[in-house]
Amino acid sequence: DQQVKQNSPSLSVQEGRISILNCDYTNSMFDYFLWYKKYPAEGPTFLISISSIKDKNEDGRFTVFLNKSAKHLSLHIVPSQPGDSAVYFCAARFQGAQKLVFGQGTRLTINP
Amino acid sequence: GAVVSQHPSWVICKSGTSVKIECRSLDFQATTMFWYRQFPKQSLMLMATSNEGSKATYEQGVEKDKFLINHASLTLSTLTVTSAHPEDSSFYICSVPVAAVTYNEQFFGPGTRLTVL
Repeated sequence: DQQVKQNSPSLSVQEGRISILNCDYTNSMFDYFLWYKKYPAEGPTFLISISSIKDKNEDGRFTVFLNKSAKHLSLHIVPSQPGDSAVYFCAARFQGAQKLVFGQGTRLTINP
Repeated sequence: GAVVSQHPSWVICKSGTSVKIECRSLDFQATTMFWYRQFPKQSLMLMATSNEGSKATYEQGVEKDKFLINHASLTLSTLTVTSAHPEDSSFYICSVPVAAVTYNEQFFGPGTRLTVL
């Protein structure tokens, strides 16, 4: 049972444009959501997060939006840069717990 | 944050042998560490929670006798894949959870690529 889903396995965006990565979840008990970026043969690195009590969090070129009623969150990267090419994982955490539940990941490719 | 290292970064072994993977928290004392496994083009799947000074907590479907976890100190957790078989070939990643005032996240090690022949 995949509680966190990233339905797009890959996304290709032109440099300078906006990249939008989507994530859906099924469990309303999740209280915290995170995005991680991963390069091949490396561990994931934290990008940005959002609490379930908020609907938006922004950090530089990265913005995460949360729609609780739709159980959907998205990561916006603008403007997209070649160095953003990586696999992006959406993750969720249960209230009071430390362990994370990850989505399948979306491979983002930024084309020059 | 926390700096997390893993050793080895990659290992090739014969079927039936055991392999030990180390996860070290270099600048943070971790009472808890997490072990994940990632198959190609798939998600990171949590295998177990390593607890310093006590037994590890395994996720459903993970064989505790096959994947032995020892959290001997606040900076070191080890995962031993016993009697490894080709289906155990995967990318194993550990993480250290760090609580802060405004967020609570995990810092991941670089991962260990295990190939069982």
